[in-house]
Amino acid sequence: QKEVEQDPGPLSVPEGAIVSLNCTYSNSAFQYFMWYRQYSRKGPELLMYTYSSGNKEDGRFTAQVDKSSKYISLFIRDSQPSDSATYLCAMRKGSNYKLTFGKGTLLTVNP
Amino acid sequence: GAGVSQSPSNKVTEKGKDVELRCDPISGHTALYWYRQSLGQGLEFLIYFQGNSAPDKSGLPSDRFSAERTGGSVSTLTIQRTQQEDSAVYLCASSSGGAGDTQYFGPGTRLTVL
Repeated sequence: QKEVEQDPGPLSVPEGAIVSLNCTYSNSAFQYFMWYRQYSRKGPELLMYTYSSGNKEDGRFTAQVDKSSKYISLFIRDSQPSDSATYLCAMRKGSNYKLTFGKGTLLTVNP
Repeated sequence: GAGVSQSPSNKVTEKGKDVELRCDPISGHTALYWYRQSLGQGLEFLIYFQGNSAPDKSGLPSDRFSAERTGGSVSTLTIQRTQQEDSAVYLCASSSGGAGDTQYFGPGTRLTVL
């Protein structure tokens, strides 16, 4: 079993839809959780960074962490065609610098 | 300011040849990372440089892979005797130094081994 599992999709939604992206993990040592967005032929860029269980909101994006279930989510409200990209979850342990990534979910938002 | 840059953006090589991939981190960033992104595999950590400390090479898949960082800035990832399974996007990232600092990624080098 991989440390981080992420459904690769693809996921296709109409413009304006609410999108839910998820990852599960097996190692309880993971303490910091991130979501990266990667456009085609580009490097990943950090979207959200969370530490504790609960919700963190930034504009149309909400990151949710449930450490008891080892489950993290990213919600995108009022999705736009410009949100079409691959979304990668990532996590790390304590003060360790190594990021462990999910495989990424390819999202397409159709106008 | 300028972000992380990588060159070349694309590299096609024949099996058995050596390749060098270059990364220019963000100016002032002391930490530099190399990752590999293969189809269906996600990003895999390869190597980490922090200042003058010995690099963490624990992610390098074989001894055909090596990396160096000169003058605490530019880094080169070298793959010797390339194999078809080395085909992937090689991503470089840098951060300002602390373990929790945001890693900023370059656009990657797409390597194809024929």
